[in-house]
Amino acid sequence: DIVMTQSPLSLPVIPGESASISCRSSQSLLHGNGNIYLDWYLQKPGQLPQLLIYMTFNRASGVPDRISGSGSGTDFTLRISRVEAEDVGVYYCMQALQTPLTFGGGTKLEIK
Amino acid sequence: QVQLVESGGGVVQPGRSLRLSCAASGFALTSYGMHWVRQAPDKGLEWVAYFSYDGRNKDYAESVKGRFTISRDTSKNSLYLQMNSLRTEDTAVYHCVKDPPARHGMDVWGQGTTVTVSS
Repeated sequence: DIVMTQSPLSLPVIPGESASISCRSSQSLLHGNGNIYLDWYLQKPGQLPQLLIYMTFNRASGVPDRISGSGSGTDFTLRISRVEAEDVGVYYCMQALQTPLTFGGGTKLEIK
Repeated sequence: QVQLVESGGGVVQPGRSLRLSCAASGFALTSYGMHWVRQAPDKGLEWVAYFSYDGRNKDYAESVKGRFTISRDTSKNSLYLQMNSLRTEDTAVYHCVKDPPARHGMDVWGQGTTVTVSS
């Protein structure tokens, strides 16, 4: 199974500043078709998980462009610019390359 | 409007069975892969099972393989999870999740149904 490791566990951020979350996979998520199957989800307090980013850098519908994803192979980053109160929650990375699909342990973003 | 509504959760003793249902609306299950994903209390997300759009492929997490069975009824546009030999560690909220073609992320999540396994 592919192990997903996120850091940090907790991320206090001052509103208006930027935040970065790191995710590392135990093996490359590069498919033979050239796509890299890494997704990001946000679970706001008391809400369902919502898709933010798919295939490393593609924003899901309705996701603002101050949220971006990058990475290659085994190292990935989710960047949130100009953090707002609505960004609070737990962020998860997930590899979609192969089953079993596996999630990172989550990063809790909070407002400082 | 695309929607997923789960049902069937409850409190059961270890070793017993439950069948979860997921009613889909606004889209046809025959066009999308579907997953079950669970979240134990105050824990992270765990993928449980997958059913492909064409019904040819199913897969399970190792922790549930041999105990859980994923299926669907296209006439009812519904997805199911038959859970046998339940263990205390199966306690979680179970979500059914829609998976668009080409692995473009799990874009629609049901609100979940709670399964509690306790003696």
